[in-house]
Formats: sequence, C-alpha cells, structure tokens
Amino acid sequence: DIVMTQGALPNPVPSGESASITCRSSKSLVYKDGKTYLNWFLQRPGQSPQLLTYWTSTRASGVSERFSGSGSGTYFTLKISRVRAEDAGVYYCQQVREYPYTFGAGTKLELK
Amino acid sequence: EVLLQQSGAELVRPGSSVKISCKASGYTFTDYYMHWVKQRPEQGLVWIGRINPANGNTVYAEKFKSKATLTADKSSNTAYMQLSSLTSEDTATYFCTSTIAAIPFAYWGQGTLVTVSS
Repeated sequence: DIVMTQGALPNPVPSGESASITCRSSKSLVYKDGKTYLNWFLQRPGQSPQLLTYWTSTRASGVSERFSGSGSGTYFTLKISRVRAEDAGVYYCQQVREYPYTFGAGTKLELK
Repeated sequence: EVLLQQSGAELVRPGSSVKISCKASGYTFTDYYMHWVKQRPEQGLVWIGRINPANGNTVYAEKFKSKATLTADKSSNTAYMQLSSLTSEDTATYFCTSTIAAIPFAYWGQGTLVTVSS
C-alpha cells in the first residue's frame, strides 16, 4: 500500500498569515496518463470532508483561490493564504493513484 | 444538485451485523463509482472500498475484505454497506462518497455513526 505522510503546522496560526502543509507519498503518484493523483480535503469539526484540490493542483468547484496545491512525484504541498477562521479543521491528503486508496493521518490547523 | 443521503445512526450488539444505506440523487447513479470511508472517533479517514453501481463490481481494501460487503440497487439509486461480526473496533462514522465526472470524492454523505456496544 502507498503510505502518505503529512507534516505538522506550527499551531496556532495567526489569522491573515499563510500556512503550508506537506504530504509525502511512499511511491510516485504519477499515473500512465501523465496526471498526478493527489487530493486534499478539509474536514471541519462535526462535518464531512470537503474536497479542496485534486490532480495535485486543480481546485474543486467553489473552493477559494486562497487554497493552492502543488508538487510532483512523491512530494506535495497545500498552501493556504491569508488564513481565516473558517479554515480551521483537519486537512488530509489522499492518493488515488492505485488501490487501496490511502489518506495521510491528517494535519490540524488552529487559528490564533 | 448532487446529494448523498445516508441512513441514521445505529446502536448494535457485538457479534451482530448492520447494513447502512446511501441514497444518491442529482446525477445518473450508474455512471460513477461509490466509495465508502471509515472514521473512528477522533481518528483519521480510512478507505474501505468502492462499488460500480452499473454492474456491482467491487474493490476492497485488504483489511475490510471479510468485514464489509458493498452492494447497490439501481432501481432505488441506493448504495449499501453491510458490516459483519461487529466489535468495538467497528465503532465509527461511515461515509459514502462519489467520484463524479472524473472529480474524485467530490460529494460526500453526512455520515452514519455505528456504535457497537452491549
């Protein structure tokens, strides 16, 4: 199975600052079609996860431009610009390159 | 509007089974896979498996092969997950989630809490 390893955040993050979350996979997530199958989700307390980005950097519909995904191969980053109160929660990366799909352990974002 | 409406919370006895449902609306049910995800209290997300509602084809994570059974009813646009031989380790919220128009895991149900307790 592909192991996903997420980095931590220096919580709490001051409102208005930027925050970056890292995610590393144990195997390249590039598929034969050339796409890199890495997703990012935000799960706010008591809610279902929300898709933020897919194919590494494509923002899902309705997601703020403050969220940007980047990376390649086995190393990925989600950057959140001008952090706001509603960004608080747990962020997960997920690989959908091959079965079984696997998630990172989650990275908690707390705001100051 | 795409909606995935899951069945309500369940309290079940150890050793028993439970079947939870996920009713899809707002899209053609048979066009896209339905996935199931487990989340234990205060823990992360774990992918259980997926079903192709068009033909019933399933793929499971290894650890759930003898625990979960995924089915789908095309006539009611509803996906089901049965969990068997329940233990306290199965106490969790279970989500259904669909990949639609090649956008993975774009839509999620509200989750079904299954509590295993005597």
